[in-house]
Amino acid sequence: GAGVSQTPSNKVTEKGKYVELRCDPISGHTALYWYRQSLGQGPEFLIYFQGTGAADDSGLPNDRFFAVRPEGSVSTLKIQRTERGDSAVYLCASSLTGGNSGNTIYFGEGSWLTVV
Amino acid sequence: AQSVTQPDIHITVSEGASLELRCNYSYGATPYLFWYVQSPGQGLQLLLKYFSGDTLVQGIKGFEAEFKRSQSSFNLRKPSVHWSDAAEYFCAGGSNYKLTFGKGTLLTVNP
Repeated sequence: GAGVSQTPSNKVTEKGKYVELRCDPISGHTALYWYRQSLGQGPEFLIYFQGTGAADDSGLPNDRFFAVRPEGSVSTLKIQRTERGDSAVYLCASSLTGGNSGNTIYFGEGSWLTVV
Repeated sequence: AQSVTQPDIHITVSEGASLELRCNYSYGATPYLFWYVQSPGQGLQLLLKYFSGDTLVQGIKGFEAEFKRSQSSFNLRKPSVHWSDAAEYFCAGGSNYKLTFGKGTLLTVNP
């Protein structure tokens, strides 16, 4: 597709369960980002990939959160032992190159996660 | 710590009126600054960005923003608002890859 694609668009899960959220960036974009947006807040940075490697994962809140990008394209955000406080919209974004290149970052529509 | 503040949670304007959304930042050096718009069911869309140079930045949809170092501000403006501008607006700053967002300003446009 033309934009950043995220699946699922909505996910309801029970507390303690494992969740995977998928992001398909714009074709050819080497940089990929995950942000989290809680209700009434602006997005918060989670992790940045340049190619296959995580260049900066300082925003991941704890070790229950993990993200991979094995082939430098699609990325998966994985959340173990989900908690109600994990409920948020998880936004994925991509750009042609990363760092301080000045390339525009394009966001997907997000995956709404609700933990009950 | 780096921070971005949007003092107005909600603003209502009439269609055709001018608009100014406020944004203040706190950084050690001049950050990259951005304005994004978020409409229901749509992802964040970049309106404009400031990296360096001319402090008045033109964006899409008729928006502009002015970087004022002395006031640590990067306010968004539009001379005449259209009903389709109703959305939530986020100011962000930082490096190009690690953005700090404000909490957003919800814009309502009255006919």
